Amino acid sequence: SQTIHQWPATLVQPVGSPLSLECTVEGTSNPNLYWYRQAAGRGLQLLFYSVGIGQISSEVPQNLSASRPQDRQFILSSKKLLLSDSGFYLCAWSPTGRGVVPQYFGPGTRLLVL
Amino acid sequence: SQQGEEDPQALSIQEGENATMNCSYKTSINNLQWYRQNSGRGLVHLILIRSNEREKHSGRLRVTLDTSKKSSSLLITASRAADTASYFCAGLIQGAQKLVFGQGTRLTINP
Repeated sequence: SQTIHQWPATLVQPVGSPLSLECTVEGTSNPNLYWYRQAAGRGLQLLFYSVGIGQISSEVPQNLSASRPQDRQFILSSKKLLLSDSGFYLCAWSPTGRGVVPQYFGPGTRLLVL
Repeated sequence: SQQGEEDPQALSIQEGENATMNCSYKTSINNLQWYRQNSGRGLVHLILIRSNEREKHSGRLRVTLDTSKKSSSLLITASRAADTASYFCAGLIQGAQKLVFGQGTRLTINP
């Protein structure tokens, strides 16, 4: 069966520090991968998605970036965090080649920038 | 904004009652999905309805879709305390492999 992992679960970082959040998927090949951010009490905002290794689509211009160095690994990064980067970050995957499918979410990383 | 809108934003009912949540969206979609999120956790997929379907059932869940009105509803029958969570609708945009989420409805079931 497929599983998705995210770490860390919680992160407190000072303003201006770098960020690296990692997401990995097991049990499937060539998944579509997604990074979302959720503000407190709000819906999800799509940040990046990837349909293959090295293929990244950015949805929202900001100081975050994403990379997909391996088929089942998706990394969210920042060189210098802002206070506004605080939030709940969720990684998700969906099977490739089948448009009408659900997305499966990881447990999320809660980021607090101070 | 392409984001969907849900109403109500918050709903509090007694255990055993039915809960209805509504969702409206702006863009053309291939399908609409409903997700559940317990506090501080990831989202769990509940049910998916295709754009050519009007109604779908899964256990105590009933979803309707009206593409002419760009709206959907989620009905949870015979609610239980364990149904307390936030519920989100999400539309799969036509021609894209990405979902647009609504703002969610916070459902509280009182025992």
